[in-house]
Amino acid sequence: DGGITQSPKYLFRKEGQNVTLSCEQNLNHDAMYWYRQDPGQGLRLIYYSQIVNDFQKGDIAEGYSVSREKKESFPLTVTSAQKNPTAFYLCASTPSSDWETQYFGPGTRLLVL
Amino acid sequence: ELKVEQNPLFLSMQEGKNYTIYCNYSTTSDRLYWYRQDPGKSLESLFVLLSNGAVKQEGRLMASLDTKARLSTLHITAAVHDLSATYFCAVDMPGTASKLTFGTGTRLQVTL
Repeated sequence: DGGITQSPKYLFRKEGQNVTLSCEQNLNHDAMYWYRQDPGQGLRLIYYSQIVNDFQKGDIAEGYSVSREKKESFPLTVTSAQKNPTAFYLCASTPSSDWETQYFGPGTRLLVL
Repeated sequence: ELKVEQNPLFLSMQEGKNYTIYCNYSTTSDRLYWYRQDPGKSLESLFVLLSNGAVKQEGRLMASLDTKARLSTLHITAAVHDLSATYFCAVDMPGTASKLTFGTGTRLQVTL
């Protein structure tokens, strides 16, 4: 089945710890995105990547880092510099031939211990 | 800075009634999107509106776009309980290849 997978579904972070959220897609999409959603809020863009080995900051990139070594994978690291990381994180992708629709993964809920 | 505002933020309506959700945005945009989110779940794409005057319908939902007024509407006809969810609109910045700015969402609750 084609789609976007995110893991883990739930993630707990201790203070001062870096954690990495996984996003994998087998849709052959070129562009991938990371969003953060806080309770009762809309989504805010963290980082996005339009091609392999290239990525750009979104609106709230501070305290986060990404890599795009493979077309299928776009992991997000929440660093210790992100002081309020508790949120729902959603990964999305877009086919290069269709900039119109973003397809979203199931999400990872990050909680701070 | 592109801003996207939705209203109402919360809507409780009875089954069988009609209602409209509004989405205003602050700068010129190429495309407007509507998404649905069920509690604790991911986003599901509903509509993509690409031009002024665009209208799209799926079941009891109809979306329209007025780029001159920078306004999109999502109209619900004869609501049913299954439509209970949070609805988001999102807007593209021109030339940014799907770099979306989302509204805060409208939580719709359809009561029996």
